[in-house]
Amino acid sequence: DAKTTQPTSMDCAEGRAANLPCNHSTISGNEYVYWYRQIHSQGPQYIIHGLKNNETNEMASLIITEDRKSSTLILPHATLRDTAVYYCIVRVGPTYGQNFVFGPGTRLSVLP
Amino acid sequence: SQTIHQWPATLVQPVGSPLSLECTVEGTSNPNLYWYRQAAGRGLQLLFYSVGIGQISSEVPQNLSASRPQDRQFILSSKKLLLSDSGFYLCAWSKGPHNEQFFGPGTRLTVL
Repeated sequence: DAKTTQPTSMDCAEGRAANLPCNHSTISGNEYVYWYRQIHSQGPQYIIHGLKNNETNEMASLIITEDRKSSTLILPHATLRDTAVYYCIVRVGPTYGQNFVFGPGTRLSVLP
Repeated sequence: SQTIHQWPATLVQPVGSPLSLECTVEGTSNPNLYWYRQAAGRGLQLLFYSVGIGQISSEVPQNLSASRPQDRQFILSSKKLLLSDSGFYLCAWSKGPHNEQFFGPGTRLTVL
């Protein structure tokens, strides 16, 4: 699976959009981009995933560059409850029985 | 909707004692099941995964074992716990075309 690079930490003001970047320059054509987050002492929570088109759901939007070498997770109106570690993971999607490799992620702090 | 349960939520065990952690999934059939461990301040490490009843794949050699006695039940066991077994144990399930994984609330194990 392709390696990802994320900033160690970020701050965001409450009510503003949080834009979390991820670099995955070695991504291959059949690898998807997944985003998860982990709030302290809880299990990781699935947020969104995509292949090459931008995706949006009730939690967030995922913007993938045309060359697919980077992506951005957007939380449109961050709240204090969005404070968490956010993980960007790249892997072949429909590969049953394979794990997600969680790196150190980005620690997002939403500030009042 | 699907839900995943883990118990116990917390556990304190002496070195050398046995271990049994249970994970059950509701609202789906024939899911892929996973056990992860997260050491304090670190990423997730995949321990075992299962694509069906009685089918277990181990990712790392250790004194832990896993079993899947029923379709939606996944058990993590040890005959003799080590201090290094302390950590946050997470069960996850997946199913679907893109195999996104959904995590349980976790069990925090402390071995003394």
